[in-house]
Amino acid sequence: AQSVTQLGSHVSVSEGALVLLRCNYSSSVPPYLFWYVQYPNQGLQLLLKYTTGATLVKGINGFEAEFKKSETSFHLTKPSAHMSDAAEYFCAVRLTSGTYKYIFGTGTRLKVLA
Amino acid sequence: DTAVSQTPKYLVTQMGNDKSIKCEQNLGHDTMYWYKQDSKKFLKIMFSYNNKELIINETVPNRFSPKSPDKAHLNLHINSLELGDSAVYFCASSQAQGATEAFFGQGTRLTVV
Repeated sequence: AQSVTQLGSHVSVSEGALVLLRCNYSSSVPPYLFWYVQYPNQGLQLLLKYTTGATLVKGINGFEAEFKKSETSFHLTKPSAHMSDAAEYFCAVRLTSGTYKYIFGTGTRLKVLA
Repeated sequence: DTAVSQTPKYLVTQMGNDKSIKCEQNLGHDTMYWYKQDSKKFLKIMFSYNNKELIINETVPNRFSPKSPDKAHLNLHINSLELGDSAVYFCASSQAQGATEAFFGQGTRLTVV
């Protein structure tokens, strides 16, 4: 069965520091991979996605993620954190056949310290 | 214009009541979803409809009944509300069943007292 593991339910970084949010997945076939961001009392907004092709994908707000098949990972990074990046981040996989449903990780709350 | 809109945004109700949450998308998408986010922020799919046809029903109690009058709307009706139903419910849509992106609504925070 497919699953998503996000290491670290809370991550704190200083403003200007590197952001690294970890995501590992389990799937019998390579799924589509996503990062969504949820600001307080808001819905989910797509940050970036990997479907096929280049394994390093760039998203909005300076975020990027790299799909590493050998490590079954899709970690999210941003070179320099900004106060406005404070939010909840969700990694998700989507099945590429059958019901095509999304499976979400448990989320990582990013706190940015001044 | 909001792409995926849900009403109401907040809903406080007593145990045993019946309530509905409405969702509308103006993106022309074929597929719509309901997700439940619990108090620990865990998101889990409940239902998915494709062109008004139910395609995913994830072991959700019978008290929950989705209704899709047309492909732009997917409403969620909940009978006999229980304390454990308190959560944030998100509606989402995607262009097609196999589309690579889902668009989410703002969520409905349901509190059962």
